[in-house]
Amino acid sequence: SAVISQKPSRDICQRGTSLTIQCQVDSQVTMMFWYRQQPGQSLTLIATANQGSEATYESGFVIDKFPISRPNLTFSTLTVSNMSPEDSSIYLCSVEDRNPPDNEQFFGPGTRLTVL
Amino acid sequence: GQNIDQPTEMTATEGAIVQINCTYQTSGFNGLFWYQQHAGEAPTFLSYNVLDGLEEKGRFSSFLSRSKGYSYLLLKELQMKDSASYLCAVSSNYQLIWGAGTKLIIKP
Repeated sequence: SAVISQKPSRDICQRGTSLTIQCQVDSQVTMMFWYRQQPGQSLTLIATANQGSEATYESGFVIDKFPISRPNLTFSTLTVSNMSPEDSSIYLCSVEDRNPPDNEQFFGPGTRLTVL
Repeated sequence: GQNIDQPTEMTATEGAIVQINCTYQTSGFNGLFWYQQHAGEAPTFLSYNVLDGLEEKGRFSSFLSRSKGYSYLLLKELQMKDSASYLCAVSSNYQLIWGAGTKLIIKP
């Protein structure tokens, strides 16, 4: 299974600023995803990070607010732009293992973001 | 629309058995996953069902009925460390749709 690291693990930021979260995988993977998990809630997919092309965003999420980079098959970044307290959440990077029979997703440890 | 339902919270006793149900309505179906998530940690994979029936892995088993849009996760010989949230997720058109999770509280 893939080993995923995220930086930073947590941060406290001021309203109006931006934060870039990094996700590093120890092996090349095709599919990388960014999720948000607000307190007491389940996971919400923000976007699929595509290597060499623009990310695919889910309904309710836009590139201007959550720009994503995917320069290669082992690394991706998510930026939370012009932050507001509503952006306080845990942000999770995940990758998909397409080796049958289990096409499960593996998750990074998450980045806990608090916006004041 | 796409919908996954599971109970919000359940309580069980150490050493007992608990069954967590999940019902789903999705436009496509490529498999159903169960994940465990301890407070403050990332979800970790527990099981995957794509065919009807029961999959057993040690103390944990997962069941699927595609015709009924129904799955359950069965946890036996409960331990205090099993206190966590259990997330049901359906792969629909190869995208994961997540349930809200069931918080399982284990009492001594």
